[in-house]
Amino acid sequence: GDSVTQMEGPVTLSEEAFLTINCTYTATGYPSLFWYVQYPGEGLQLLLKATKADDKGSNKGFEATYRKETTSFHLEKGSVQVSDSAVYFCALRYPSDYKLSFGAGTTVTVRA
Amino acid sequence: NAGVMQNPRHLVRRRGQEARLRCSPMKGHSHVYWYRQLPEEGLKFMVYLQKENIIDESGMPKERFSAEFPKEGPSILRIQQVVRGDSAAYFCASSPFVSQSGTHYYEQYFGPGTRLTVT
Repeated sequence: GDSVTQMEGPVTLSEEAFLTINCTYTATGYPSLFWYVQYPGEGLQLLLKATKADDKGSNKGFEATYRKETTSFHLEKGSVQVSDSAVYFCALRYPSDYKLSFGAGTTVTVRA
Repeated sequence: NAGVMQNPRHLVRRRGQEARLRCSPMKGHSHVYWYRQLPEEGLKFMVYLQKENIIDESGMPKERFSAEFPKEGPSILRIQQVVRGDSAAYFCASSPFVSQSGTHYYEQYFGPGTRLTVT
């Protein structure tokens, strides 16, 4: 079945450091790919998405590119802030479906 | 504009007791989804409901678990006779109207989750 695997955390960084969170997927078709973020005490929020191969999603300085050849959707940010401390979830969903399939989440802590 | 509300945020139950988790969708949303996150795993789909209808419960355990979304009031996920393996974070999401053709689904908006601990 379809699945999402993301790098294990926790990840601890200093402010202004470069962040990468790896995400790979297994799918039988051509899903849309998503990154969600959960800040402390809040619900998951959609951070960015890409709906087809080579699409790049971006938001709040974060970027991820849909790579069909490597079945990956790695999340990157060039210079993190303390406010980026959160749990990040990679997910996939087929356009004709409502079920999201999530990775286990990666906890990121940014120190001042 | 309030987001998706879930309560309680933390719930502790002894084995054999019942757990009731509540989810109030965003205003104007008539579709609710429940997901469960077991320790060290990703969120897994459990059930999809519209008002007074269960659309898809393919992810629900066959026994002890039930869900409803009445005409009035929040959606309820009910777990009877809880066991330690039910300890998890339970997330609710809601979305607005879904295309009748079934080919387009709106973004799901998530609540903060209920963390259930069974002792």
